[in-house]
Amino acid sequence: DVVLTQTPSTLSATIGQSVSISCRSSQSLLDSAGNTYLYWYLQRPGQSPQLLIYLVSNLGSGVPNRFSGSGSGTDFTLKISGVEAEDLGVYYCMQATHAPYTFGAGTKLELK
Amino acid sequence: QVQLKESGPGLVQPSRTLSLTCTVSGFSLTSYGVSWVRQPPGKGLEWIAAIWSGGSTDYNSALKSRLSISRDTSKSQVLLKMNSLQTEDTAMYFCARESITTPFDYWGQGVMVTVSS
Repeated sequence: DVVLTQTPSTLSATIGQSVSISCRSSQSLLDSAGNTYLYWYLQRPGQSPQLLIYLVSNLGSGVPNRFSGSGSGTDFTLKISGVEAEDLGVYYCMQATHAPYTFGAGTKLELK
Repeated sequence: QVQLKESGPGLVQPSRTLSLTCTVSGFSLTSYGVSWVRQPPGKGLEWIAAIWSGGSTDYNSALKSRLSISRDTSKSQVLLKMNSLQTEDTAMYFCARESITTPFDYWGQGVMVTVSS
């Protein structure tokens, strides 16, 4: 199975600070058709996960544009440009290029 | 609007079979797939199984021998059965919608399942 390694595991930030989360894959996530099936989800405390970013860099419906995704191959990044209080929770990357789907272990974003 | 809701027993005895139901609204099971994802307490997410819009299925290979996923389109329900439950199967179980390019674009609230005697 593809292993996704997220760093850091915990991130402390102040409101307004910009932060980045890394997701590295044990295999390239580029498929033979040229698609890269890498996604980002946020799970707020006590809630279900919600989609933030699909296909590396596309913003999910209703997701604020302070979130952005980038990367290719095996290295991917989620950036939050100006953390707000509602952004606190655990962020997960997920790949769907190779069966089975696998998730990273998560990055917990907390207030400093 | 799109909604998914999980239901099932809160407590299951070890070695027994778990049956979970995901009831959906706001979309058709013949147009979208549905997956099950679980999360042990305090831990991360694990994809379990999917049933696609055409009715085909996929399973996490680590759990495949214990799983069965099916659907009843007339009731807008997706059913998951997992046998030979162990304590390590204790988790929150979520169902989530699958679109062509985007797995898990909508999630249910989850149902907590505890395996204990």
